[in-house]
Amino acid sequence: GAVVSQHPSRVICKSGTSVKIECRSLDFQATTMFWYRQFPKKSLMLMATSNEGSKATYEQGVEKDKFLINHASLTLSTLTVTSAHPEDSSFYICSAIRTSGRVEQYFGPGTRLTVT
Amino acid sequence: AQTVTQSQPEMSVQEAETVTLSCTYDTSESNYYLFWYKQPPSRQMILVIRQEAYKQQNATENRFSVNFQKAAKSFSLKISDSQLGDTAMYFCAFTQNSGNTPLVFGKGTRLSVIA
Repeated sequence: GAVVSQHPSRVICKSGTSVKIECRSLDFQATTMFWYRQFPKKSLMLMATSNEGSKATYEQGVEKDKFLINHASLTLSTLTVTSAHPEDSSFYICSAIRTSGRVEQYFGPGTRLTVT
Repeated sequence: AQTVTQSQPEMSVQEAETVTLSCTYDTSESNYYLFWYKQPPSRQMILVIRQEAYKQQNATENRFSVNFQKAAKSFSLKISDSQLGDTAMYFCAFTQNSGNTPLVFGKGTRLSVIA
């Protein structure tokens, strides 16, 4: 099946610094990718929709200046958490839409962010 | 707005037995997709089964099958011959139209398979 990777898988950063998370579709092109956030023992909450070549669409309550999303190519979307604070600690999961053949959404393995 | 409700936070089943996880949803759309995802301790989201709303026939994937009741907006997952490796969080999810829209997830059901 299609593969989506995320890097890094785990990151620890100090409060006030920024951290970038990459989401790559390895064997297909994805014009649309989604970023979700998952708190411990909770469900996935959509943060934003990332579209190649255009600005991301953010869900209500998600600060676009804090969570910067760049979808620079058909295989890469990045999420940058700026000026991170401990409350940003969470599990971040991306997914990519493959539109060739049957439309399918594939998930990355997630990134665990810990802000100290 | 679409909503997905999973009313069973936790369930357990004996190995080799059958278990059914419940899911209801609310939408005004006529065409949509429903999914069950499994999230094991690794936290990788794994697609278990999908159902297109326009198909009346219930989807099946080996030991996994669904009972899709469109009028009742119900989409339950049946796991037959439960295995220890089925222990995981299970999320019911919805997406509208052709499937290239974000998923709306239920809160999940934690399933434990007991030896």
